[in-house]
Amino acid sequence: GIQVEQSPPDLILQEGANSTLRCNFSDSVNNLQWFHQNPWGQLINLFYIPSGTKQNGRLSATTVATERYSLLYISSSQTTDSGVYFCAVVDRFGNEKLTFGTGTRLTIIP
Amino acid sequence: GAVVSQHPSWVICKSGTSVKIECRSLDFQATTMFWYRQFPKQSLMLMATSNEGSKATYEQGVEKDKFLINHASLTLSTLTVTSAHPEDSSFYICSATTSVLFGDTQYFGPGTRLTVL
Repeated sequence: GIQVEQSPPDLILQEGANSTLRCNFSDSVNNLQWFHQNPWGQLINLFYIPSGTKQNGRLSATTVATERYSLLYISSSQTTDSGVYFCAVVDRFGNEKLTFGTGTRLTIIP
Repeated sequence: GAVVSQHPSWVICKSGTSVKIECRSLDFQATTMFWYRQFPKQSLMLMATSNEGSKATYEQGVEKDKFLINHASLTLSTLTVTSAHPEDSSFYICSATTSVLFGDTQYFGPGTRLTVL
């Protein structure tokens, strides 16, 4: 099956800093989503981005489908940004099933 | 919009008992629901795909007789962990979607933390 690797696995930043999270996938995809899992376990949809660039406030994401990677940018980090960030993909066979990446644990220090 | 709820939020049970977890789409009709399992500090692993009115499709390695899934209506799917054992302790998360409204974007419930003593 498709492999999804995220980097870095852990990231500790001071409040106000910017960060870039990376998601690499091993095959073509029909769908790519970014999620934030808060400390209580709730997954929050951030972006649906199989290709191109999107922005939502301090967050933006870019997917380069031809090179099989996606980037999530977080600017001016806040403590509420802490948690685990997952990317998840639906492979090119389009069977609706999401394969989750390994995750990046982000900790923002006041 | 696109709110998914789960009940209960957490449950503690004795080994050998069965536990039922409910997943509801509150503001849309979900043609497809998914059940995931997440161990501490690990990623989410898909257990099964559930379509309303038909049998669930289980991922390889998931025991269908142990994890019973029923998708009885377009807003409700249930996961029953039968004869639970300590190794079944985990965080169980459901998601829901309907392709007409959302394409293949999934919306997730808040999860259920199961502890088996």
